[in-house]
Amino acid sequence: DAKTTQPTSMDCAEGRAANLPCNHSTISGNEYVYWYRQIHSQGPQYIIHGLKNNETNEMASLIITEDRKSSTLILPHATLRDTAVYYCIVTRGGGADGLTFGKGTHLIIQP
Amino acid sequence: NAGVMQNPRHLVRRRGQEARLRCSPMKGHSHVYWYRQLPEEGLKFMVYLQKENIIDESGMPKERFSAEFPKEGPSILRIQQVVRGDSAAYFCASSPVKGNNSPLHFGNGTRLTVT
Repeated sequence: DAKTTQPTSMDCAEGRAANLPCNHSTISGNEYVYWYRQIHSQGPQYIIHGLKNNETNEMASLIITEDRKSSTLILPHATLRDTAVYYCIVTRGGGADGLTFGKGTHLIIQP
Repeated sequence: NAGVMQNPRHLVRRRGQEARLRCSPMKGHSHVYWYRQLPEEGLKFMVYLQKENIIDESGMPKERFSAEFPKEGPSILRIQQVVRGDSAAYFCASSPVKGNNSPLHFGNGTRLTVT
């Protein structure tokens, strides 16, 4: 699976959009981009995934660049409960293989 | 629609005892994954099972650790003769099928403390 690079931490004001970047310059054509998050002392929570098109669901939007070498997870109206570690994972096997979790981005939502 | 259920939520064992961690996948899910998260570290893949079969155990320590997912009942992660270094959060995840469009659903983990 391709390696990803994420900032270690980010701050965002409550009510604003949180934009979390992820670089995956070695991604191959059949690899998906998945995002999970882990709120303190809970299990990881699936957020969204995509192959090349932008995706949106009730939690977030995923924007993937045309060359697929980077992506951005957007939480449109961040709340304090969105404070968590966010993991960007690129995987050929899809979500159902042994996912490799890096260190992720610690997103802190400020009141 | 119940999610992935793990029990116990917290488990305390003395060195040398056995720890048994249970995971009931979501209804209709036949794929189970176990992960370990050491304090202040990331999640590490341990093992992937389907009903009655171990598919990938590349992340499992070679000794003392075993996993099963019987035809009936929950998946079990078993740690024999626990040591202090086994203290960690153990997470189970499940999915309905294997494939690119099949996200994993995680439980809230079992926190094992070895004294």
